[in-house]
Amino acid sequence: QKEVEQNSGPLSVPEGAIASLNCTYSDRVSQSFFWYRQYSGKSPELIMSIYSNGDKEDGRFTAQLNKASQYVSLLIRDSQPSDSATYLCAVTLNTGFQKLVFGTGTRLLVSP
Amino acid sequence: EAGVTQFPSHSVIEKGQTVTLRCDPISGHDNLYWYRRVMGKEIKFLLHFVKESKQDESGMPNNRFLAERTGGTYSTLKVQPAELEDSGVYFCASSQDDRYYSGNTIYFGEGSWLTVV
Repeated sequence: QKEVEQNSGPLSVPEGAIASLNCTYSDRVSQSFFWYRQYSGKSPELIMSIYSNGDKEDGRFTAQLNKASQYVSLLIRDSQPSDSATYLCAVTLNTGFQKLVFGTGTRLLVSP
Repeated sequence: EAGVTQFPSHSVIEKGQTVTLRCDPISGHDNLYWYRRVMGKEIKFLLHFVKESKQDESGMPNNRFLAERTGGTYSTLKVQPAELEDSGVYFCASSQDDRYYSGNTIYFGEGSWLTVV
């Protein structure tokens, strides 16, 4: 079993719709959870972090964490074609950036 | 402000040769990390420097890989001798602090693409 699992996609949504990206992790003592966006050939960019159960909102992005189910998700509201990218889920046992464990990423395609 | 820069961006070498990858972190960032992604797999942690010291090198695959950060500024990752399975993208990242809090984040470089033939 992979430590962090994501559906590779592609996830296709029309412009203006809500994109829902999901991630499960295997280590129950994981502390910190991150979402990165990576455009093709570019560097991963941190877009969201979450530590506590529940929702965290930042603009059009909402991260949701359920530690009991070992599940973290990212919702993108009012999806735009510029959101088309690969979204990487990363988990760490620490309260920061030490030794991030990544999933393989979900490719999101937003069609105009 | 310049981001994390990596050199070379692409490298093709023959099996058995040596390659040295360089990473220049964002100025003032004490924490420097190396990750790599082999084809079709997830990005995996290699090691973490705090200034010039190796904080965690548990992800280094074997003794063919040597990372240094002399003076706590730029870092190099040497692969010697290179094997076919070393092909992939090597990412460097940096952060001011290794804990997450408002105003502190981690920045990745665009990666060094290594192909061993």
